[in-house]
Amino acid sequence: AQRVTQVQSTGSSQWGEVTLDCSYETSEYSYLILWYRQLFSGEMVFLIYQPSFDTQNQRSGHYSVVFQKSFKSISLVISASQPEDSGTYFCALSELPRNNYAQGLTFGLGTRVSVFP
Amino acid sequence: GPKVLQIPSHQIIDMGQMVTLNCDPVSNHLYFYWYKQILGQQMEFLVNFYNGKVMEKSKLFKDQFSVERPDGSYFTLKIQPTALEDSAVYFCASSLGLGDIYAEQFFGPGTRLTVL
Repeated sequence: AQRVTQVQSTGSSQWGEVTLDCSYETSEYSYLILWYRQLFSGEMVFLIYQPSFDTQNQRSGHYSVVFQKSFKSISLVISASQPEDSGTYFCALSELPRNNYAQGLTFGLGTRVSVFP
Repeated sequence: GPKVLQIPSHQIIDMGQMVTLNCDPVSNHLYFYWYKQILGQQMEFLVNFYNGKVMEKSKLFKDQFSVERPDGSYFTLKIQPTALEDSAVYFCASSLGLGDIYAEQFFGPGTRLTVL
């Protein structure tokens, strides 16, 4: 069974680097970990993803991840965070079974981040 | 970027009534999803749909739920009859489909359903 756990429920920063942690459980060999930010309006915005088969940490704009596959853990790093980065950040697991069709995402509970000017 | 639209944004109905939630997915996407989010909790997967068929569904996808996308129009979630515990925000998502780079799911803004 798949499960996603986000340890911190809230985080804050005053303009700097923010690190959000996520751990997961899966029995699949191939999977993706995706990060989304939910705005206060409820809209979900895709940020970045990490494929399980790629040992290189992914980067996208001022988002990057630290992927520790052997520990089934991944952190999202937001560099030079700004107040507009405030929101709730969700880690999600997408399993890719052998037939490789797109599956539903398993989300964590989210981490609420507030970035102050 | 690509947008998923959901209609209506809010719906209030009496318990036992039927409700249909509408989703207009990204035009070239092939896979469609519904998720349910109760206030303060994580989003939970309900169902995904491809080529006119349900591909997988979670235990939250009760017998009272059904999905369809007739003739490439809206992707709909119908609940009949509704129950109090169906009150939540329902998010529609779509994705191009297979493999890693196509797995990104684009989400709509959600429909807030209140069952009285």
